[in-house]
Amino acid sequence: GAVVSQHPSRVICKSGTSVKIECRSLDFQATTMFWYRQFPKQSLMLMATSNEGSKATYEQGVEKDKFLINHASLTLSTLTVTSAHPEDSSFYICSALILETQYFGPGTRLLVL
Amino acid sequence: TQLLEQSPQFLSIQEGENLTVYCNSSSVFSSLQWYRQEPGEGPVLLVTVVTGGEVKKLKRLTFQFGDARKDSSLHITAAQPGDTGLYLCAGDAGNNRKLIWGLGTSLAVNP
Repeated sequence: GAVVSQHPSRVICKSGTSVKIECRSLDFQATTMFWYRQFPKQSLMLMATSNEGSKATYEQGVEKDKFLINHASLTLSTLTVTSAHPEDSSFYICSALILETQYFGPGTRLLVL
Repeated sequence: TQLLEQSPQFLSIQEGENLTVYCNSSSVFSSLQWYRQEPGEGPVLLVTVVTGGEVKKLKRLTFQFGDARKDSSLHITAAQPGDTGLYLCAGDAGNNRKLIWGLGTSLAVNP
């Protein structure tokens, strides 16, 4: 069965609004989760490392004020895309680090109109 | 900057053919993972290789880790349409638990 879930699986929003994506580690605690962005038929691009109880670590070029990450519990990390624009449309994937292996969620397709 | 070069980027073959995907780097990895991803879904871990020279088999898929732990290959024997998908290699450099990702190989197996 699935180890990591994501919600919603797809979302359409208007430009300027904020969207929250949830990533849950099922049955396992995950101190560390990762957020990725992926364009069609391309590899994963790491956006940030989410650490439970502390601030997320963002990769170079990723705006921390635009992509807010909250890892409030050992099983839940959230990514909020603030003031979304059409260029933020993408496939967002999270992973949970469990026993030194990353297990991926099913992804969230975001479309900003 | 650590890089993982993956080739080929795109591959379209007929059912029954064999293929090999390569991941190469100038860096040493403590482990290397292979994932398969279908459209609209997250990557699914196929295998993790840890030891230099290691060979692992998963049905018709054979994974090899280079002796120096800088490169890896994935060989598929008698490909089937169900093998179609995006194959990704990712190396664990050991720092911060982040993975270094290859660009992916988009495989299409035609019936």
